[in-house]
Amino acid sequence: GAVVSQHPSWVICKSGTSVKIECRSLDFQATTMFWYRQFPKQSLMLMATSNEGSKATYEQGVEKDKFLINHASLTLSTLTVTSAHPEDSSFYICSAADGQSTDTQYFGPGTRLTVL
Amino acid sequence: AQSVTQLDSQVPVFEEAPVELRCNYSSSVSVYLFWYVQYPNQGLQLLLKYLSGSTLVKGINGFEAEFNKSQTSFHLRKPSVHISDTAEYFCAGREGFQKLVFGTGTRLLVSP
Repeated sequence: GAVVSQHPSWVICKSGTSVKIECRSLDFQATTMFWYRQFPKQSLMLMATSNEGSKATYEQGVEKDKFLINHASLTLSTLTVTSAHPEDSSFYICSAADGQSTDTQYFGPGTRLTVL
Repeated sequence: AQSVTQLDSQVPVFEEAPVELRCNYSSSVSVYLFWYVQYPNQGLQLLLKYLSGSTLVKGINGFEAEFNKSQTSFHLRKPSVHISDTAEYFCAGREGFQKLVFGTGTRLLVSP
């Protein structure tokens, strides 16, 4: 089956630093990738949608200058949390679709970010 | 806007017993609904989906769900659970063309 990986699986950083999270589709080409954020005991909240070679589309309330998304190839998308603060601590999950619809969307295992 | 509600945060059940995980949705547009399962330290896996047609949808691992328009529900059921079904289950609805809206999840705890 289609596999999506994320790296790192967990990261701890100091306040004010930037952190990059990678999302890779291992055995298929992902034309669209999605980034979600999940707080404890809460829903996955969509942060942004990115199509390969295009600028990401951010959801309302998500700071695009803080959460930089790059989808430079059909197998890799990155999320960079810039100038991280403790309130950015969360579980970040990516998913990838091989078409234009979310009917077939494959999820990565998530990245736990802790900002001290 | 679509919203998805999972009223039960945790459902304990004994092995081989039946289980139902509840999901209600609100939407004024076409309804596309999904159930995902998340095992520890793994990504979400699609269990089943309803797009149109038969209201009873069968998925993987013996799970099924029934779309009920009058009650705006899409409950997940399994007639006999196994220990290995212990996981977090998420109900989701599609909003627009690409966006998925998730419920808060239900932890299914199967004990011997």
